[in-house]
Amino acid sequence: NAGVTQTPKFQVLKTGQSMTLQCAQDMNHEYMSWYRQDPGMGLRLIHYSVGAGITDQGEVPNGYNVSRSTTEDFPLRLLSAAPSQTSVYFCASSYRQTNSPLHFGNGTRLTVT
Amino acid sequence: GQQVMQIPQYQHVQEGEDFTTYCNSSTTLSNIQWYKQRPGGHPVFLIQLVKSGEVKKQKRLTFQFGEAKKNSSLHITATQTTDVGTYFCAGQRRGGSQGNLIFGKGTKLSVKP
Repeated sequence: NAGVTQTPKFQVLKTGQSMTLQCAQDMNHEYMSWYRQDPGMGLRLIHYSVGAGITDQGEVPNGYNVSRSTTEDFPLRLLSAAPSQTSVYFCASSYRQTNSPLHFGNGTRLTVT
Repeated sequence: GQQVMQIPQYQHVQEGEDFTTYCNSSTTLSNIQWYKQRPGGHPVFLIQLVKSGEVKKQKRLTFQFGEAKKNSSLHITATQTTDVGTYFCAGQRRGGSQGNLIFGKGTKLSVKP
């Protein structure tokens, strides 16, 4: 099993550009989520999904969209990038939506200039 | 809203010294999870505590969950350079899904050989 696969690893965008961060898992996990990590801020939840066709907002959802058309994939879309979205983004999944360890991808380091 | 406070933010120790990080929640938790993130890496699940007063050990690591299920600690005995990284606790409130998993801001451990 590859686990949780995130692409790309690095990305530089200009303000106003759009892009999609990809996340895929091959563990048949029910739950998937996106976090951003900023220095001194820990991990903050952006969006999450408890199953295909179901998504919900986390702590910091503004400026981001998600969809979950399949169990395996959970892309994160930035519609109009802003410098405040410069961060490291982690996708994470778990077998169940409660009491279940999170498996993280390797992360995407995004810089918006 | 629910907060999970983690202290200290940084800890510098000499190799062989002990290390402890503490996690406190403003509300009663259903469970608490601990993760370790090596420099440049992604968070990796260490353990989950569910029962009041629970104590679990993993070699030199001891994890505790408070009687009131509002606090937790991670203690490392005789630190080694391989322990370097940031340790995060993540608390899940009762009845909540992983979408309600709140991460502390982490304790960054450095170990001087």
